[in-house]
Amino acid sequence: EAEVAQSPRYKITEKSQAVAFWCDPISGHATLYWYRQILGQGPELLVQFQDESVVDDSQLPKDRFSAERLKGVDSTLKIQPAELGDSAMYLCASSLFGGYNEQFFGPGTRLTVL
Amino acid sequence: KNEVEQSPQNLTAQEGEFITINCSYSVGISALHWLQQHPGGGIVSLFMLSSGKKKHGRLIATINIQEKHSSLHITASHPRDSAVYICAVGGIQGAQKLVFGQGTRLTINP
Repeated sequence: EAEVAQSPRYKITEKSQAVAFWCDPISGHATLYWYRQILGQGPELLVQFQDESVVDDSQLPKDRFSAERLKGVDSTLKIQPAELGDSAMYLCASSLFGGYNEQFFGPGTRLTVL
Repeated sequence: KNEVEQSPQNLTAQEGEFITINCSYSVGISALHWLQQHPGGGIVSLFMLSSGKKKHGRLIATINIQEKHSSLHITASHPRDSAVYICAVGGIQGAQKLVFGQGTRLTINP
């Protein structure tokens, strides 16, 4: 069964360091989402791609976060420099039809910033 | 006030009990999703609905568009149902994205 892949699964870093997360969506899914989930809360959308184009990054802290999906397939989310408040689960999801239709989630990357 | 409110935040029940989790939203939407998140993080989509009722196994989801309210029911609950259940709504003010509730943590004791 096709799945969304993410790596690493866990990342521990010190504040001011750079971190990067990778996501490979289900083959054929044009829409890719990056979410941040703080413990005890629901996911919050950071960035949404349609193919290689960003369609929504209104909640992405652009002074330290960046995301790319150069060939419209896999994607990388980067944080530089990491801050203590960035500790969270970072989830990637993909969707065949985009918008508010069904999304398929990866296992997530749990980031701890010390 | 959050656009999506879930209740209760935490629910503990005994195996076999009938479970109800509620979701209310404040404005018109195009679709509502129920999702399940197990410890470790993975999220699985359970239902997407825009009207009426859907059933899958022991899970039933209903939505009342006029009252802006949805419920997720679990019949004959089992310890393996223990998870966080998340409601998400789409199409708020035409936006092509999902807005998530804070989740309901369900624990079923044997």
